[in-house]
Amino acid sequence: DSGVTQTPKHLITATGQRVTLRCSPRSGDLSVYWYQQSLDQGLQFLIQYYNGEERAKGNILERFSAQQFPDLHSELNLSSLELGDSALYFCASSVDGTGSGELFFGEGSRLTVL
Amino acid sequence: QKEVEQDPGPLSVPEGAIVSLNCTYSNSAFQYFMWYRQYSRKGPELLMYTYSSGNKEDGRFTAQVDKSSKYISLFIRDSQPSDSATYLCAMISSGGSNYKLTFGKGTLLTVNP
Repeated sequence: DSGVTQTPKHLITATGQRVTLRCSPRSGDLSVYWYQQSLDQGLQFLIQYYNGEERAKGNILERFSAQQFPDLHSELNLSSLELGDSALYFCASSVDGTGSGELFFGEGSRLTVL
Repeated sequence: QKEVEQDPGPLSVPEGAIVSLNCTYSNSAFQYFMWYRQYSRKGPELLMYTYSSGNKEDGRFTAQVDKSSKYISLFIRDSQPSDSATYLCAMISSGGSNYKLTFGKGTLLTVNP
């Protein structure tokens, strides 16, 4: 158990809809990262937050947004969903915000868009 | 050319075999090299972390980095069915105070009893 909690584990929705994925980092970790994993693209970095502030941005679509709250949990919002958004979404956390250390991953949220 | 290339496999070996997993990269700025292991329906977990050329050993696992050839490897000795997982290489480049982590696509390994 990595200590990172993600909910929901599975989500099935329709195209055009909006969903919110939630992540609670390990106790003491200030940084949260969101990744998308698909068979053809592998693990793709979306966005990083450190202590409530956006620290780095990756290949995140404009239809996606995220935030980190004062209690350090984070939410990833996916809107106007398309079939191609079906993937595993992972949250990871780390102690610092540099990105040079070990990342601790949650078990992921599997999103299926029909 | 992708920054990190990793053969997706799948790779199937008998129990007890020596397994070699490899990644190549094109970005000379990569300074830190890692291997993550991902079991089915789980998140990746860090297996090995190294930052210099040469070998690093941890039990049955050896990570090898050759910066001159831009090539990293993970060797698993006496492989066990419990080693069946997807192995992802990962590399970090630095840019000022922040670091960028890039993952390979992963190699699916099955160790047959």
